[in-house]
Amino acid sequence: EAGVAQSPRYKIIEKRQSVAFWCNPISGHATLYWYQQILGQGPKLLIQFQNNGVVDDSQLPKDRFSAERLKGVDSTLKIQPAKLEDSAVYLCASSVTLMSSYEQYFGPGTRLTVT
Amino acid sequence: AQRVTQPEKLLSVFKGAPVELKCNYSYSGSPELFWYVQYSRQRLQLLLRHISRESIKGFTADLNKGETSFHLKKPFAQEEDSAMYYCALSAGGNQFYFGTGTSLTVIP
Repeated sequence: EAGVAQSPRYKIIEKRQSVAFWCNPISGHATLYWYQQILGQGPKLLIQFQNNGVVDDSQLPKDRFSAERLKGVDSTLKIQPAKLEDSAVYLCASSVTLMSSYEQYFGPGTRLTVT
Repeated sequence: AQRVTQPEKLLSVFKGAPVELKCNYSYSGSPELFWYVQYSRQRLQLLLRHISRESIKGFTADLNKGETSFHLKKPFAQEEDSAMYYCALSAGGNQFYFGTGTSLTVIP
């Protein structure tokens, strides 16, 4: 089966600019996750969707980050405006359901550099 | 609060030697623990979960609630085991926490 797709793979922007990342989960997977992985750290969960609804966004910095999954399939994560500390790899993952969150399938990630 | 601690950033062992990657967690409820692995140029993927009590690729991990640990072990390391290993905790509800990872190198 096709895996989780993410684009772009790399992005370089200046601070205060905006950026958006796209994720296409595995077909039929109801649950979608966005993670931020700063260099030298483990992935940090930012937001989870179940179909098109937000399950948890307690760790999402809502003053500058937003995410949506309008039709319950693809999702976008936006940062506006970006700060230097947002430099990280942004990972998207999906699982069949929320109950199977232990088995998340990860995308290749988008490496963001903010200068 | 740090939920998952992996004390070793780097670990090197010789091929055929035993390997143990340490993981300690902090959670007052009933934890679910996992090991994820990322091989070079590949995606992060699930290796094993404590509930299944399986041995995957020769690796096992036992949940020790008394010591709040979930160490990953393999009796004889292979070169293909070289990878980044992350311990992860599902802390009830919808929270999922990863450790900082241990980079394992198996020396031929």
